[in-house]
Amino acid sequence: KNEVEQSPQNLTAQEGEFITINCSYSVGISALHWLQQHPGGGIVSLFMLSSGKKKHGRLIATINIQEKHSSLHITASHPRDSAVYICAVVPASYNTDKLIFGTGTRLQVFP
Amino acid sequence: DGGITQSPKYLFRKEGQNVTLSCEQNLNHDAMYWYRQDPGQGLRLIYYSQIVNDFQKGDIAEGYSVSREKKESFPLTVTSAQKNPTAFYLCASSLGSTLYEQYFGPGTRLTVT
Repeated sequence: KNEVEQSPQNLTAQEGEFITINCSYSVGISALHWLQQHPGGGIVSLFMLSSGKKKHGRLIATINIQEKHSSLHITASHPRDSAVYICAVVPASYNTDKLIFGTGTRLQVFP
Repeated sequence: DGGITQSPKYLFRKEGQNVTLSCEQNLNHDAMYWYRQDPGQGLRLIYYSQIVNDFQKGDIAEGYSVSREKKESFPLTVTSAQKNPTAFYLCASSLGSTLYEQYFGPGTRLTVT
């Protein structure tokens, strides 16, 4: 079983819909990253959080450390949000040099 | 503009040849990382470096080598010992560790036949 699990693996939505992508992990962590990978392959960092909630534009990330779970929400989704969203954790038991990555959630938003 | 660059974007090599992938950053970041991405799998760490002239093996270092002679540069060599080198390779950097925002390059897609 992977230490970082994302759900769903694939997600399709109509423009304007509210999107939720989930990330569950089985290890203690120091922080969690949400990343966005566009079809060309480049990856952009969206959020890094260790508690609570962060918001940037239409994107909201939350984390519940006790439940070992994080969610990424996209409000008013748009076709340009189509990408693979990747969750990665910084394990608390290691030094802070390594990330453990989920396999990603592929989102397609149709007009 | 500050950023991280990788070249080339696509690379084709014959089996048995070593190949070097370039990674350069002008963000003044101390930490640099090389990842490999295969379909259906999460990114896997090949090598990382937190300071010039020092680097550490990641989870899948066998068949790869790196150098960190300059702060801004962290080239990766895929040697002929790497059994399955065809993959998408991503370089990343951060201020100091994975507790900082990660900046990724555009990636190099290597195909070995």
